[in-house]
Amino acid sequence: QVQLVQSGAEVRKPGASVKVSCKASGFNFIGYDINWVRQAPGQGLEWMGWMNPNGGNTGYTQKFQGRLLMTRNTSISTAYMELSSLKSGDTAVYYCARGRGGNGGKYELDYWGQGTLLIVSS
Amino acid sequence: DIQMNQSPSSLSTSVGDKVIINCRASQSIGTFLNWYQQKPGTAPKLLIHAASNLQDGVPSRFSGSGSGTDFILTISRLQPEDFATYYCQQSYSAPKTFGQGTKVEIK
Repeated sequence: QVQLVQSGAEVRKPGASVKVSCKASGFNFIGYDINWVRQAPGQGLEWMGWMNPNGGNTGYTQKFQGRLLMTRNTSISTAYMELSSLKSGDTAVYYCARGRGGNGGKYELDYWGQGTLLIVSS
Repeated sequence: DIQMNQSPSSLSTSVGDKVIINCRASQSIGTFLNWYQQKPGTAPKLLIHAASNLQDGVPSRFSGSGSGTDFILTISRLQPEDFATYYCQQSYSAPKTFGQGTKVEIK
């Protein structure tokens, strides 16, 4: 069955970086975009960006430009999200999600990882 | 960026009631609109894609409609397991913004 399994919770100090992994199984990893969505405590969902594991192409929301990096290792079907220059406002649960459907990226997110809690605190 | 506005932000209702949640886009998005359900401490779950297509395994009491800028999620007869927060998301263009969510609570 399709699964996305994320790495465990992280605690970082302001200014540091974090790298979260998302291991895919049960489907052809390079056939679907991986999106990242975050949720601050008690808040709604915020879409961060996408990565195509086949060619490594990415697209990021403007607010994260310059400090967000999405990469992958196709040999182990794993996607990564690295966020740098962390601030307290980056404290959130981070989710990876599979994008299903063609239409040039106009797709739905049909499978989600379990989420990774990131706490940024001095 | 396309803004997504959901209403109401919360509602109190009872088992067996009909629930309607609205989602309005700041510009036309065709039918590139998805609905998700999220329960506390868990990841969102896809309910409806492309405005009106029920995801596999989702009960038929859930339905979606709309196109352009105005969309509706309907739960025909609310069940105990439906108390959750619901989000719309446009997938027409990046950034693929979500609505602020609608929390469905027990009256």
